Amino acid sequence: RKEVEQDPGPFNVPEGATVAFNCTYSNSASQSFFWYRQDCRKEPKLLMSVYSSGNEDGRFTAQLNRASQYISLLIRDSKLSDSATYLCVVNGIIFGTGTRLQVFP
Amino acid sequence: NAGVMQNPRHLVRRRGQEARLRCSPMKGHSHVYWYRQLPEEGLKFMVYLQKENIIDESGMPKERFSAEFPKEGPSILRIQQVVRGDSAAYFCASSPPDSAYEQYFGPGTRLTVT
Repeated sequence: RKEVEQDPGPFNVPEGATVAFNCTYSNSASQSFFWYRQDCRKEPKLLMSVYSSGNEDGRFTAQLNRASQYISLLIRDSKLSDSATYLCVVNGIIFGTGTRLQVFP
Repeated sequence: NAGVMQNPRHLVRRRGQEARLRCSPMKGHSHVYWYRQLPEEGLKFMVYLQKENIIDESGMPKERFSAEFPKEGPSILRIQQVVRGDSAAYFCASSPPDSAYEQYFGPGTRLTVT
């Protein structure tokens, strides 16, 4: 089993839609969870940290479910500019392979 | 505040040559990380350094690869005797001293081995 797993997608959603991604991790002792976004052939950009109590930043909400060992990212009111690959990170340095999101007009 | 800087952005080496990749962290950041990304694959952790100290090199290949972060100057990732399989994008990231793992990435160096 991989340390971090993500559905590669793509998730194709219309503008204004709400979309959610999950990321599962195998090590129950994992700490330091993050979400990044990566545009094609660019560097990853930090989106948000994931705290035990959850974290919200504008249209983005991140949650941690320790019992089921996954983190989630919810994007509300999707914009065309949200189209990217979303990477989850566990233990600070273990990156998932990403979930691709494509928002269409 | 300038972001993380990496140079060169593109590097072409012949098999057997050495590649030296440089990374200057954001001002005030004391942690540096190096990752490798192959086409259509995820980021693979290589090494985590603080000034003059390697914290975690569990992702570094045992041979030909080395990294340093001297007291003065940029962090260097060095690949000796490059092979075609070393062709990849190498990303460096830095994080502030009070928030390890909150990483800000540089634009990457694309290494091509011919």
